[in-house]
Amino acid sequence: GAVVSQHPSWVICKSGTSVKIECRSLDFQATTMFWYRQFPKQSLMLMATSNEGSKATYEQGVEKDKFLINHASLTLSTLTVTSAHPEDSSFYICSAPQGNTEAFFGQGTRLTVV
Amino acid sequence: AQSVTQPDIHITVSEGASLELRCNYSYGATPYLFWYVQSPGQGLQLLLKYFSGDTLVQGIKGFEAEFKRSQSSFNLRKPSVHWSDAAEYFCAVARSGYNKLIFGAGTRLAVHP
Repeated sequence: GAVVSQHPSWVICKSGTSVKIECRSLDFQATTMFWYRQFPKQSLMLMATSNEGSKATYEQGVEKDKFLINHASLTLSTLTVTSAHPEDSSFYICSAPQGNTEAFFGQGTRLTVV
Repeated sequence: AQSVTQPDIHITVSEGASLELRCNYSYGATPYLFWYVQSPGQGLQLLLKYFSGDTLVQGIKGFEAEFKRSQSSFNLRKPSVHWSDAAEYFCAVARSGYNKLIFGAGTRLAVHP
């Protein structure tokens, strides 16, 4: 079946640096992808909708300058956490809908900022 | 605004016992409803979904769910739980198809041998 690959699976970075997370749809094209954030033992919260060829749309309360999203092609969306701080430590998951039949999720990226 | 409530944060059942995970939603029209399962440190796998039609939906791994409009519920059931079913289960709702899923808080299932 369709697969969404997310890279890296985990990353540790120093406070103040930036981290880029990639989300790829491996065998289908996705004009839209979604980025979620999950705190420990909590649910997934939608952060933003990544749109191929146009600007991302962010959910209320999500800092667009903090979480930069680029949908460079029909198979790749990237989330860059800029000037990361310990409070940005979380589990980030992307998803890509395949038509209107199913959304496939990446395996997630565990970000730890030290 | 749409919302999803999963009243049970944590449930423990014995292997072989039946299971029901509760999910209530708030949405003005007929929603698109989903159940996902997440193993520790992993992404989400779709168990089943309801868009329209038969209100009893069959999914993978022996799971089923029933949409009850009068109760705004979409409870997940399994007649006999296996140890491998231990995971986190999320109910989700969307306005249309797979656009912007709103997730419940999740229910963590533990299975005793």
